[in-house]
Amino acid sequence: GENVEQHPSTLSVQEGDSAVIKCTYSDSASNYFPWYKQELGKRPQLIIDIRSNVGEKKDQRIAVTLNKTAKHFSLHITETQPEDSAVYFCAARLYGNKLVFGAGTILRVKS
Amino acid sequence: DVKVTQSSRYLVKRTGEKVFLECVQDMDHENMFWYRQDPGLGLRLIYFSYDVKMKEKGDIPEGYSVSREKKERFSLILESASTNQTSMYLCASSLPGLEKLFFGSGTQLSVL
Repeated sequence: GENVEQHPSTLSVQEGDSAVIKCTYSDSASNYFPWYKQELGKRPQLIIDIRSNVGEKKDQRIAVTLNKTAKHFSLHITETQPEDSAVYFCAARLYGNKLVFGAGTILRVKS
Repeated sequence: DVKVTQSSRYLVKRTGEKVFLECVQDMDHENMFWYRQDPGLGLRLIYFSYDVKMKEKGDIPEGYSVSREKKERFSLILESASTNQTSMYLCASSLPGLEKLFFGSGTQLSVL
């Protein structure tokens, strides 16, 4: 089955700096890669996603890149703000309705 | 906006009890999911359903069962609760194709 590894487990950055979270997946047939953000005490929410036929996608200060050959994808947050502090989860879909999530990254933005 | 409602925010049960966690969504979504969330382990899929009375095992189904008698409602059942089932349980729903999951607020279950 699919396996998703996520690094780092915690990340502290200074406000205004960039943050990068990386995930690797095991099955080359995976075709959909979303990122979810979970603020403290709240539900996870989709922030950005990418499909296997696209190499990069951007939405304001966040971007996701996908390297199919290396089987990894990354979340990039630029000009970080305190409200970016949260747990971020990557995920990969192998087939059908099954998403496999990474273990999560706790991002702290220090002001 | 899609609403996924879980019946309890916090629940405390005793070892051996039968526990029901309820989830209701109001957007006519075909797919519904139950995940458990543990620190350092992320979100792990317990069961999912893509239609009424249909269910499929996820990655960690042992000790759990589910029921989907109506499209909007998906119940998770712990047949005999154990302490290692203490966790945050998240319900989610989506349209076919799984383009976006909508999560409930979660139920923090403590089994004593």
